[in-house]
Amino acid sequence: SQKIEQNSEALNIQEGKTATLTCNYTNYSPAYLQWYRQDPGRGPVFLLLIRENEKEKRKERLKVTFDTTLKQSLFHITASQPADSATYLCAPSQDGNKLVFGAGTILRVKS
Amino acid sequence: GAVVSQHPSWVICKSGTSVKIECRSLDFQATTMFWYRQFPKQSLMLMATSNEGSKATYEQGVEKDKFLINHASLTLSTLTVTSAHPEDSSFYICSARRGGPWETQYFGPGTRLLVL
Repeated sequence: SQKIEQNSEALNIQEGKTATLTCNYTNYSPAYLQWYRQDPGRGPVFLLLIRENEKEKRKERLKVTFDTTLKQSLFHITASQPADSATYLCAPSQDGNKLVFGAGTILRVKS
Repeated sequence: GAVVSQHPSWVICKSGTSVKIECRSLDFQATTMFWYRQFPKQSLMLMATSNEGSKATYEQGVEKDKFLINHASLTLSTLTVTSAHPEDSSFYICSARRGGPWETQYFGPGTRLLVL
């Protein structure tokens, strides 16, 4: 069955450092992958979308990579700030109609 | 742009009653809307997909008679939890998509339902 794995442990980093979050998938060939941010008690907020034919995508301090050979996506936040603290969800999509979400990784940025 | 609202944001009801949750796309027309449920410390689980003017497609294990979805217009979808029970208590989130399958989904702020 399709499986999506994100870092189960919370990621604690110091302000100013780069946070790297991992999303691995198995039994899956997603055509694209999205990353969302979710704050407690709120709906997810779209961050970035990367397609299978794209290796890397950037938006301000965010960078996403997509390695279809390793079946992995990495999400980087450079110069992290306490305001970046949240849960980050990856959501690969195989047919474009349905998003399947990973459990999410909690990021805590300490000042 | 791409703002999605939900109403109410919080609802408490007695067991056996029905609750309606509205999802609206405020600044775009949504060809497709989705309903998710999220339990504490778990990820979002898709419940159903609805296209304007047609019946919703429910995911396996989701009772369509219990979770009634109406997508009456390109900017409004409603989820009605019928005869709610305490196990239906959860965080319900909708999303809306304005284009085809490869377009981004934009999420509402969620509705927390507590059934006593």
